[in-house]
Amino acid sequence: KNEVEQSPQNLTAQEGEFITINCSYSVGISALHWLQQHPGGGIVSLFMLSSGKKKHGRLIATINIQEKHSSLHITASHPRDSAVYICAVLIYGNKLVFGAGTILRVKS
Amino acid sequence: SAVISQKPSRDICQRGTSLTIQCQVDSQVTMMFWYRQQPGQSLTLIATANQGSEATYESGFVIDKFPISRPNLTFSTLTVSNMSPEDSSIYLCSVGTSGDIQYFGAGTRLSVL
Repeated sequence: KNEVEQSPQNLTAQEGEFITINCSYSVGISALHWLQQHPGGGIVSLFMLSSGKKKHGRLIATINIQEKHSSLHITASHPRDSAVYICAVLIYGNKLVFGAGTILRVKS
Repeated sequence: SAVISQKPSRDICQRGTSLTIQCQVDSQVTMMFWYRQQPGQSLTLIATANQGSEATYESGFVIDKFPISRPNLTFSTLTVSNMSPEDSSIYLCSVGTSGDIQYFGAGTRLSVL
């Protein structure tokens, strides 16, 4: 079993839809990252969470430390949101353990 | 924040040759990390590059295959040695700053023929 599990693996949405991507982990962490990877390979850090909730524009990330679960929400989705979204947890030694990623495609 | 410059952005190499990837950061950082992302896979940590000491390699990765240099607090290189088609991947460097925030380079897309 992977230490970081993401769901769904693939997601297709219509423009304007509310999107949720889930991440569950089984190890002790100091923080959780949500990352966005575009087709060229570059990765952008969207959020770093250790508790509660963060919001940036149309993106919202939440984490429940007790349940070892985090969600990334995208409101009013747009085709430019199409990317791979990766959950990564920060463990001992400042190492990141990555989920497999969720491939999101938003159709206009 | 930290801005990372990684190069080359992509390369096509012949089997048996070596490629050195460079990662330059605009501020001093203690730890730099090198990751590999094979086609259709998630990222896997290759090694942690520490300034002033040898890199720490993860299970399955060895120094002879992936030698790493870290001459100062703003620069590191990863060499992929004696390449085979199985080495075709995206290679990324990242840095961790205070507060555990992670920043990533744009990645190097390597194809080995």
